[in-house]
Amino acid sequence: GAGVSQSPSNKVTEKGKDVELRCDPISGHTALYWYRQSLGQGLEFLIYFQGNSAPDKSGLPSDRFSAERTGGSVSTLTIQRTQQEDSAVYLCASSWRGQGETQYFGPGTRLLVL
Amino acid sequence: AQSVTQLDSQVPVFEEAPVELRCNYSSSVSVYLFWYVQYPNQGLQLLLKYLSGSTLVKGINGFEAEFNKSQTSFHLRKPSVHISDTAEYFCAVSHTGTASKLTFGTGTRLQVTL
Repeated sequence: GAGVSQSPSNKVTEKGKDVELRCDPISGHTALYWYRQSLGQGLEFLIYFQGNSAPDKSGLPSDRFSAERTGGSVSTLTIQRTQQEDSAVYLCASSWRGQGETQYFGPGTRLLVL
Repeated sequence: AQSVTQLDSQVPVFEEAPVELRCNYSSSVSVYLFWYVQYPNQGLQLLLKYLSGSTLVKGINGFEAEFNKSQTSFHLRKPSVHISDTAEYFCAVSHTGTASKLTFGTGTRLQVTL
């Protein structure tokens, strides 16, 4: 079946511009996660959505970062006024529910901020 | 808070040799433990996980790991590696309570050569 998909696969933007990254989770998965993978910081948790509960935003690095999940399915991660340190691979994952469940990862969006 | 330490950033090994990738964790609460593999330019794929029960966990591609609570370790092993096992391996933990986000180690690059 279809896995987690992310778009775009690559994004190049100029410093100060806003970007939107999209994640389509596996159908039926109620939990959705965003992580960031960068050379300096490794793999970091950003935000977690579980059903209709309030999202866990504890990993968002600044108020320039936000995310939403519409209709319990597709999620968009928005980065406003991008900075060069935002350059990274942004990974999305989904799972059936929450704790202990296997998280299935998408291929990621590679963001380069010039 | 929890943390994961993967002491070996790179592990070179010859094909058909055994390998062990080390993972130690620190947490004040109970955790679930995971090993993920990342092939070049791909997302993360689950190798195996420990939730409870038997401390020896078998995963895909002939990998296994043993949970050692007293040593807070979850080392990954394979008795005979193949060229195709060349990849980045990440150990991760999540809280057994309500927070299911993954905390990752810095990764170990397994390089298998002939």
